[in-house]
Amino acid sequence: EAGVAQSPRYKIIEKRQSVAFWCNPISGHATLYWYQQILGQGPKLLIQFQNNGVVDDSQLPKDRFSAERLKGVDSTLKIQPAKLEDSAVYLCASSSDRDTEAFFGQGTRLTVV
Amino acid sequence: AQTVTQSQPEMSVQEAETVTLSCTYDTSESDYYLFWYKQPPSRQMILVIRQEAYKQQNATENRFSVNFQKAAKSFSLKISDSQLGDAAMYFCAYRTLYGGSQGNLIFGKGTKLSVKP
Repeated sequence: EAGVAQSPRYKIIEKRQSVAFWCNPISGHATLYWYQQILGQGPKLLIQFQNNGVVDDSQLPKDRFSAERLKGVDSTLKIQPAKLEDSAVYLCASSSDRDTEAFFGQGTRLTVV
Repeated sequence: AQTVTQSQPEMSVQEAETVTLSCTYDTSESDYYLFWYKQPPSRQMILVIRQEAYKQQNATENRFSVNFQKAAKSFSLKISDSQLGDAAMYFCAYRTLYGGSQGNLIFGKGTKLSVKP
C-alpha cells in the first residue's frame, strides 16, 4: 500500500513570495490533515478535511494561508505572501476514520529568507 | 481544550538499556486515544504505539510499552533493549473523538532521544 505522498521535499523562497505544497493521501482515506511543525515544537493542526469538506480550519491564518481538496482526494496548501515565521515543516496526514491512527507523509521543509 | 506536555526535552540511553519517556495530558473527556510517534531525521512521523483510554491494560509492541495512568493523566513510553535505530524525536499525541475536529492529533513538544553505543 502506497503511503502519503508530499511534494516538494524542500522549498526556499523569499518573504512575500507565494508557495504551494501538494499532498496525495493513502487511497480510500476520507480524512486529510495539514500540520505545521516549527523547529523544536510538535506539529500543530492547520486544517482538517473530511472528503472535500473542511472540518476544522480554526488555526489556519486565513489572511495568507489557503487549502483545498478537490474531489476529496489530493490536496494543496498555499501560502501567499510568505513571512519569515512561516519557516517550518509542513506535514500532511490521512486516516480512514476517526478510530484509527493517522499516517504521515515525509513533509515539506519550507525556508523563508 | 486538550493539552499534552512532555517535560523532557532530551534523553540519553546506553545501547541495550531501558529508557522511559514521560508524557502528561489534560482533558475533560472520558474517551480518547493516546499515541507515541517517532520522528527520525527523515521527518516522517512513524506510529510507535497507541492506547485506547477505555482499555485498562497497557499497550505493548515488541520492545515498546506504555504505562497508562488515566486518573493521573499520565502516558509514559518505555523502550527496552534500546537500539541505535531508536534515536529520534518522540512525540506524545492525544486524539479527541468528539467535536468538530474529531480525529485531530494534539502533540507535545517532543523528546529527543539519543542512544549511545
